[in-house]
Amino acid sequence: NAGVTQTPKFQVLKTGQSMTLQCAQDMNHEYMSWYRQDPGMGLRLIHYSVGAGITDQGEVPNGYNVSRSTTEDFPLRLLSAAPSQTSVYFCASSPRQPNEKLFFGSGTQLSVL
Amino acid sequence: AQKVTQAQTEISVVEKEDVTLDCVYETRDTTYYLFWYKQPPSGELVFLIRRNSFDEQNEISGRYSWNFQKSTSSFNFTITASQVVDSAVYFCALSDVVSGGYQKVTFGTGTKLQVIP
Repeated sequence: NAGVTQTPKFQVLKTGQSMTLQCAQDMNHEYMSWYRQDPGMGLRLIHYSVGAGITDQGEVPNGYNVSRSTTEDFPLRLLSAAPSQTSVYFCASSPRQPNEKLFFGSGTQLSVL
Repeated sequence: AQKVTQAQTEISVVEKEDVTLDCVYETRDTTYYLFWYKQPPSGELVFLIRRNSFDEQNEISGRYSWNFQKSTSSFNFTITASQVVDSAVYFCALSDVVSGGYQKVTFGTGTKLQVIP
C-alpha cells in the first residue's frame, strides 16, 4: 500500500513564487490535514478537511490555500512564497474525524529564498 | 482552546536508564483523544499510542508505558531501560472538537530524547 504520498520531497523557491504541494492517499480516508514543522514549534496545523468539498483553517493558515475536490487528494497551495514559509510540511490522513491515529506522509522540505 | 504542553525540550540519558516524557493538555471537551508519536532522525512520524478520555487505565507495551491522569490533565510516557534506538523527538497530541463540530489534532512542541551509549 502506498499510504500517504507527498510530492515533492524537496523544493527551493524564490520569494513571491507560487507552488503546490501535493498530497494523495489511497486508503479512502475522509480526514486529511497539513502541518508545518519548525524548530522548537512542534507540528502546527495549517488547514484540514473532513471530506470532499469541506475544508477549514488550522492555527497557521495565512499564506496557504487548500481545496478538496476528491477524497484522495488534498493539495496545499502557496500563493506568494515568503521566507517565513521555509519549513518541513507534512500531510496526514485519518479514516474519519481524527479519533484514530494519523497516517503521515514523508514530508516536504521547502526553502524560500 | 486546545493546548498541549511538553515542557521538556531536550532530555539526555545514558543507555539502560529509565526516562519519563511529560505531557499536559488543556481542553473543554469531555470526549477527547490523546496520542504519542515518535520522530526518529530519519524524519518520519510514527504512531505509538492512542487513548480516549474515558479510559484512564495505564498501558504497557514492552519497554514503553503510559500514565493517563485526568485529574492532572497529564498523559506521560515512560521508556524503561532506554536504548540508543529510542533517540528521537517525541510528540504528544490531543484530538478534540473545535467550534463548528469538527475535530482537529493539536500537537505539543516535542521532546528530543538522546540516549547515550
